[in-house]
Amino acid sequence: EAGVTQFPSHSVIEKGQTVTLRCDPISGHDNLYWYRRVMGKEIKFLLHFVKESKQDESGMPNNRFLAERTGGTYSTLKVQPAELEDSGVYFCASSQDFGSTYTFGSGTRLTVV
Amino acid sequence: AQSVTQPDIHITVSEGASLELRCNYSYGATPYLFWYVQSPGQGLQLLLKYFSGDTLVQGIKGFEAEFKRSQSSFNLRKPSVHWSDAAEYFCAVGDGLTGGGNKLTFGTGTQLKVEL
Repeated sequence: EAGVTQFPSHSVIEKGQTVTLRCDPISGHDNLYWYRRVMGKEIKFLLHFVKESKQDESGMPNNRFLAERTGGTYSTLKVQPAELEDSGVYFCASSQDFGSTYTFGSGTRLTVV
Repeated sequence: AQSVTQPDIHITVSEGASLELRCNYSYGATPYLFWYVQSPGQGLQLLLKYFSGDTLVQGIKGFEAEFKRSQSSFNLRKPSVHWSDAAEYFCAVGDGLTGGGNKLTFGTGTQLKVEL
């Protein structure tokens, strides 16, 4: 089966611009997660979707971040406007059942200059 | 709140040597523990996990980890390291609300370098 796909793999944008990251989970996986790793720090939870609904968005840093999951399939994470501290690697993961082990994507490396 | 500490940021070992990566966690109940590996350009791959039962857990690629409740540790070991094991390793603890580690808290990672 195809894994979790994220694109772009890399993105370099200027401060103040908008960037949209996309995640395609494994087909049939209702649960989708976003995590972020800021350089040199730990990987941190951002939010969790169950189908199209946000189950937990307690990790979202501020209202410049907007996550959506239309139709319960792919998800997008938009950063608007981007700030320098948003630079890092954004990981997406999916799982079939609530609480079961995730499969992670390869991440999107975002650089804000 | 749960937390994970990986005290070693970088470790260098010679190929064929044994390896132990340290992980200490803080969690109020029975933890759900994981080790992930990230090779360059790849996603996070699950090496092994501990939910309950036997405290010595076998994983993929010849790795194992031992859960020690008294020490709040979940160290990762491999008896003989291969050059392809060079990667970054992450220990994580799950919140356990659903029995499967739903929301993960990660350590800061340990970068492993293997000398030939």
